Formats: sequence, structure tokens, C-alpha cells
Amino acid sequence: GAVVSQHPSRVICKSGTSVKIECRSLDFQATTMFWYRQFPKQSLMLMATSNEGSKATYEQGVEKDKFLINHASLTLSTLTVTSAHPEDSSFYICSARDIRSSGNTIYFGEGSWLTVV
Amino acid sequence: RKEVEQDPGPFNVPEGATVAFNCTYSNSASQSFFWYRQDCRKEPKLLMSVYSSGNEDGRFTAQLNRASQYISLLIRDSKLSDSATYLCVVNNRAAYKYIFGTGTRLKVLA
Repeated sequence: GAVVSQHPSRVICKSGTSVKIECRSLDFQATTMFWYRQFPKQSLMLMATSNEGSKATYEQGVEKDKFLINHASLTLSTLTVTSAHPEDSSFYICSARDIRSSGNTIYFGEGSWLTVV
Repeated sequence: RKEVEQDPGPFNVPEGATVAFNCTYSNSASQSFFWYRQDCRKEPKLLMSVYSSGNEDGRFTAQLNRASQYISLLIRDSKLSDSATYLCVVNNRAAYKYIFGTGTRLKVLA
């Protein structure tokens, strides 16, 4: 299957600071990437859909000014959590759509554990 | 009503047992269906896509019932290593979204 790399895998930051998480498709081009958040024992919640070269589409209730998404190339999307607060602590996962596969399979990065203290 | 619904479980089964999960979806325009496996504190990994004709991969069999709008996953001869959360994923290409179920937790007991 396709490989998606996410970095950093774990980050601890102080309240009020910003954190950037990178999502890279390593062996394919991804015109569309997705960002999810998952709280303990809950399902993945789609935050936004990132399209290369255009503005991200945010889900209802997700603040676009707080969660900045940039999809500058066909292999890289970044999520920046601005002015992080403890309630932003969560598991953030990206996925990328492999358009080469029939059925539009998506593959996930390893996820990033964010802890805001 | 949620777009994709799964029984959260947990399903506790002995090794060697056969276990089946169902997942229902509400959007009849859904076009692609998948089962993902997620281990604790890890990212989801694709287990298998689900095709209209049904498909099998070793001990795993997936089926799609469009009329009743559900997909199923059957695991035969359960192994301890099958213990995980199984996520049902539905894609509506028109909306370009992948909708996840809450997952069904499976525990295979020795």
C-alpha cells in the first residue's frame, strides 16, 4: 500500500504556543489529504479536507483560524494548531487519497500525539 | 441518525471463534466501502476494501448489501492478534468525504 508519513509523532507544547504537524505522501501524489482528530475511546472526527493549491474545506465547528491547513505541494500538507490550549490535546491523524487505486483508498499517517500543558 | 453506525462492542470471543461485525450507512449515494483496523493509540490501517460481489482475504470476508445499506466483516479462526478496533469507512465521492463509524472493539481471548 501507499505510504503516508506524519511528523512529529509526539509533541508537548506550552499553552498559547503554536504547533505544526506535517503529513507527507512518500510514494504517490495526493491532491487531497484529510485531517482528523481522535479523542480517547472515540472515533476519528474529520476536521478538514486539504486540497493542493486551494483553500482547505473545514467541517462544521472546526475553527479555520485556529487550525491552519496548508497544502502547498502534491506530497505535503501541514496542520498548524495556533494558540494551543489544553483542550486541543488529542491524537491528530492525516490521510491521503491514493488516486491510483480503484475505489479511492485512503492511507493514514502514523498520527501525532499533541499534549498542551 | 449517524451516517455510519457500528456496534461499539466489545466483542469478547475465544481464540478460533468466528465473529461478524455489521456496519450500516444512511447515504444511499455512498460508493466506496472499507474496513480499517486500528490498534490502541495507533493510526488506522486498511484491512480490506468491500466490493459489491463480496471479497475474501484469508480469514477475512467482507460483504456489501446495498439494498439494506450495510456492510459486514467476518473473521474466521480468530487469533489473539486480531484484537483491535475495526472501523467501517464509507466514501461518498460526490461529497468527497470519508465517513468513519465509531468502530467495533474486538477482544480475542486465549
